[in-house]
Amino acid sequence: DAGVTQSPTHLIKTRGQQVTLRCSPKSGHDTVSWYQQALGQGPQFIFQYYEEEERQRGNFPDRFSGHQFPNYSSELNVNALLLGDSALYLCASSQDRGLVWTDTQYFGPGTRLTVL
Amino acid sequence: AQKVTQAQTEISVVEKEDVTLDCVYETRDTTYYLFWYKQPPSGELVFLIRRNSFDEQNEISGRYSWNFQKSTSSFNFTITASQVVDSAVYFCALSEAETGANSKLTFGKGITLSVRP
Repeated sequence: DAGVTQSPTHLIKTRGQQVTLRCSPKSGHDTVSWYQQALGQGPQFIFQYYEEEERQRGNFPDRFSGHQFPNYSSELNVNALLLGDSALYLCASSQDRGLVWTDTQYFGPGTRLTVL
Repeated sequence: AQKVTQAQTEISVVEKEDVTLDCVYETRDTTYYLFWYKQPPSGELVFLIRRNSFDEQNEISGRYSWNFQKSTSSFNFTITASQVVDSAVYFCALSEAETGANSKLTFGKGITLSVRP
């Protein structure tokens, strides 16, 4: 049973560039959430995708956008990169079981983004 | 707004000692979910345990146990007979039910655990 996978593992960009990170959820999962983890901090919620739409969003600017595909995989796009965007980007997947039940989120290995 | 506080930043123990990691949370919801995750140096967050606010009893799973106290809004995690492989950063996280299904996780800042041989 494949877990959550992310690509690429590492990425180096310069200020002002754009970047796309990819995530494939765990088998059977239909919900993908993205988190940003700065060095020495806990992960911060960016947004969540379900049924190809953004369902929840954290306090991140519009430079951060995403997409979910029919196979439930997801992309995170960041435009106009800033030095402060350097972080570990984590993708988590879960299964929507309806109502207000919260399924456990399982995380991928992350993508380490460095902005120079 | 939901908040998770992990007051301990670093803990160092000798192998085979028991260690307890503290977590205090804030929420206005009556239904919520609490989690502990482990992050080894590789970076991947590994799910350890989960507690629903409506569950009745504290549990033990192998060397892991947890103590959920609603009265003090605490969700402490204990590793019994620690091992060197337990060395990692441990995060406590909270999810509220009122914001919808599979609601976002709010994390604490993490506790770095070092287990010395």
